[in-house]
Amino acid sequence: NAGVTQTPKFRVLKTGQSMTLLCAQDMNHEYMYWYRQDPGMGLRLIHYSVGEGTTAKGEVPDGYNVSRLKKQNFLLGLESAAPSQTSVYFCASYGDGTNTEAFFGQGTRLTVV
Amino acid sequence: AQSVSQHNHHVILSEAASLELGCNYSYGGTVNLFWYVQYPGQHLQLLLKYFSGDPLVKGIKGFEAEFIKSKFSFNLRKPSVQWSDTAEYFCAVISYNTDKLIFGTGTRLQVFP
Repeated sequence: NAGVTQTPKFRVLKTGQSMTLLCAQDMNHEYMYWYRQDPGMGLRLIHYSVGEGTTAKGEVPDGYNVSRLKKQNFLLGLESAAPSQTSVYFCASYGDGTNTEAFFGQGTRLTVV
Repeated sequence: AQSVSQHNHHVILSEAASLELGCNYSYGGTVNLFWYVQYPGQHLQLLLKYFSGDPLVKGIKGFEAEFIKSKFSFNLRKPSVQWSDTAEYFCAVISYNTDKLIFGTGTRLQVFP
């Protein structure tokens, strides 16, 4: 039972390069979220999804795109990376039943140079 | 807009001292409330959650929190902290209407022996 798996764990990009972060969950959760964590700013919501084929903007969506083609996967894309996107990215999944909780991946540390 | 405020950014305590971390949220509809902990270099783990019922909820490792609806607050408490409680603590809220899971900026707790 893997829970939430993020790939890759580390990545260094040059300014202007693109990349995709993958989040996979095996708990059949409907809701999935992408966050970035920066010192002193907590976790800020980038985009989220409430089910397969749906996506919505969070607090800081600019410069990112997402897709949820399969229920278990939630992809975060950076089309043209900028140094301001240097951060630790976390994915979470959340069940839509009662008394549930969000489960987090291990994080992806991205550096844009 | 939905938001979460954590008033204490950095708390320093000696072992056996009591702890209270503040959390206020801005959304007026039905919400679920959480406290998560992040140990250095790790992902977030659930401490406790409130969905309904008794506003005083107990979590793991001796933590508890009280939901006060009239004050939009969900403060975290522990009667006697240990060195191993050194970590960052995040309050989070998800609203039934928006499905956004929003986090506060976090409180860094340092406990000295």
